Amino acid sequence: DQQVKQNSPSLSVQEGRISILNCDYTNSMFDYFLWYKKYPAEGPTFLISISSIKDKNEDGRFTVFLNKSAKHLSLHIVPSQPGDSAVYFCAATSLNKFYFGSGTKLNVKP
Amino acid sequence: ETGVTQSPTHLIKTRGQQVTLRCSSQSGHNTVSWYQQALGQGPQFIFQYYREEENGRGNFPPRFSGLQFPNYSSELNVNALELDDSALYLCASSLTSGGWTDTQYFGPGTRLTVL
Repeated sequence: DQQVKQNSPSLSVQEGRISILNCDYTNSMFDYFLWYKKYPAEGPTFLISISSIKDKNEDGRFTVFLNKSAKHLSLHIVPSQPGDSAVYFCAATSLNKFYFGSGTKLNVKP
Repeated sequence: ETGVTQSPTHLIKTRGQQVTLRCSSQSGHNTVSWYQQALGQGPQFIFQYYREEENGRGNFPPRFSGLQFPNYSSELNVNALELDDSALYLCASSLTSGGWTDTQYFGPGTRLTVL
């Protein structure tokens, strides 16, 4: 039962351009959404989060947008840098449970 | 580096055996969560412990059990191993009063292979 879905397994972007990673969810009871970044051989690292009562949260080059009517979440990275190349997971929480998407591998080309 | 460590790094077991995986949380973090990540998938939530009590569980059978100790370490135990249990097991700690909004810090994981 995939309650959080990332339909794009990979994304390739030129350095300096915008990277947009997307995430869809099915459970309207999710109260918090998060993005994690994962490098090979390391655990996921927290990147940015957003409460379900907000529609935007910004932290430096990273902005997360939440569209509750569409049950859609996106992460914008501007400008993209080669060091951003990693696997990005979106996640959501509800009722003491935590759900991750399957990840999108971002490749930022120099 | 998150300060969360896991042992062992890799482990090979045979079907039907039992396994114990260990995690050492960041000092002061009273919440630990365990996840199973199959190849090509996102982490799947197994359970969470807060102050040595289980306070959240995903869709995993009872043969997956855990313990949390006062010294910020924890264990994941899996009995009667099955081939599908082969995965990367991640633990994550957080400084929280039991809620879910605090940042989780992940360890590097233990790669379990069941033959």
